[in-house]
Amino acid sequence: NAGVMQNPRHLVRRRGQEARLRCSPMKGHSHVYWYRQLPEEGLKFMVYLQKENIIDESGMPKERFSAEFPKEGPSILRIQQVVRGDSAAYFCASSPKFVHQPQHFGDGTRLSIL
Amino acid sequence: DQQVKQNSPSLSVQEGRISILNCDYTNSMFDYFLWYKKYPAEGPTFLISISSIKDKNEDGRFTVFLNKSAKHLSLHIVPSQPGDSAVYFCAASSNNNAGNMLTFGGGTRLMVKP
Repeated sequence: NAGVMQNPRHLVRRRGQEARLRCSPMKGHSHVYWYRQLPEEGLKFMVYLQKENIIDESGMPKERFSAEFPKEGPSILRIQQVVRGDSAAYFCASSPKFVHQPQHFGDGTRLSIL
Repeated sequence: DQQVKQNSPSLSVQEGRISILNCDYTNSMFDYFLWYKKYPAEGPTFLISISSIKDKNEDGRFTVFLNKSAKHLSLHIVPSQPGDSAVYFCAASSNNNAGNMLTFGGGTRLMVKP
């Protein structure tokens, strides 16, 4: 089953550490999206990437957060100097192209900050 | 500023009856709408979508209705089954050059009682 794969599923970090979340899109999908879900809320868009390009990062905090989708390998969402407020579920989605195609989601990474 | 709203946080329905989940939006640029189902500790699973050029789309037990003038969509599940118990999110996107990031509602928790 070549669905969207995210790892790790759970990640615990102490305040000030770095968190790296990985996402491998579905086979044949070249568009990757990252979303964040805070407890009891809906998912909020963070960033949209294609291979080697950030297309839209309007939902990403300006500081400490970065994302990449290299030519080879998974997409990475990186959070530097984590704070308690970064605790959330981070979901990655992929689609084959951006126009009117449903995005398919991975099972997320649950980030907990101690 | 919530562009997509699901005003009912929860809904309880008897097995075999119809479940109707509602969603309202404010952004008239949205032209593609989706429903996702989510179980705890899993990612959202795509259910059904509808383009703004249509007012109804049906797939098995699931039907989505779109009323553009009212900026309202609904998901009908009939007959409802206990396995349908989950959180349902509606989402919307617009076809623009930056890609089709999804804007999600806050979700409705559906409970189908046997």
